[in-house]
Amino acid sequence: EADIYQTPRYLVIGTGKKITLECSQTMGHDKMYWYQQDPGMELHLIHYSYGVNSTEKGDLSSESTVSRIRTEHFPLTLESARPSHTSQYLCASSTGYWTGELFFGEGSRLTVL
Amino acid sequence: DQQVKQNSPSLSVQEGRISILNCDYTNSMFDYFLWYKKYPAEGPTFLISISSIKDKNEDGRFTVFLNKSAKHLSLHIVPSQPGDSAVYFCAASANTGNQFYFGTGTSLTVIP
Repeated sequence: EADIYQTPRYLVIGTGKKITLECSQTMGHDKMYWYQQDPGMELHLIHYSYGVNSTEKGDLSSESTVSRIRTEHFPLTLESARPSHTSQYLCASSTGYWTGELFFGEGSRLTVL
Repeated sequence: DQQVKQNSPSLSVQEGRISILNCDYTNSMFDYFLWYKKYPAEGPTFLISISSIKDKNEDGRFTVFLNKSAKHLSLHIVPSQPGDSAVYFCAASANTGNQFYFGTGTSLTVIP
């Protein structure tokens, strides 16, 4: 069973608030990812990291930012949330080998009013 | 432009019958393919994978078939069970790339 955890699972906040979605994994994986997914749509990669102090933007433009100060921790921050940020955010990690699977957390469902 | 496509948004199958979920891709550099299963309000969980050196991989009730010339793969579930009802995502990656590309998912309903 994958050991990757996301908090909060659900968050409802007002426009303009700053939020941080937490993601931690205990598998020692170097690669970590943030995906955004809306119902009926594909998972869109918004950020990824190859290791400590490494962060890259994914294909989908996002106003969020990430940091990777520790191998196990990959938080995502929105400085000023807007209704367009309402979505499900999925954190994942992998061993880094191209044939390695992604392990996903349970997701954070964000609703911005 | 979407590189992995699942053209059937939904599929309904009777319990005990075969479920066939399809996936097409456009990038010929993709050489590793995965299927994920997702329940509502949960993260996707890995089901089965196949590399491009194979055309079939089997794991219990789940079999994935790969047709490289057609850039097509399919997931067969036999026999289908009500607990299989979920959204199934196809994903692909290339050993020269940095990420996995996902389809839009197919919602499978297995009717008891």
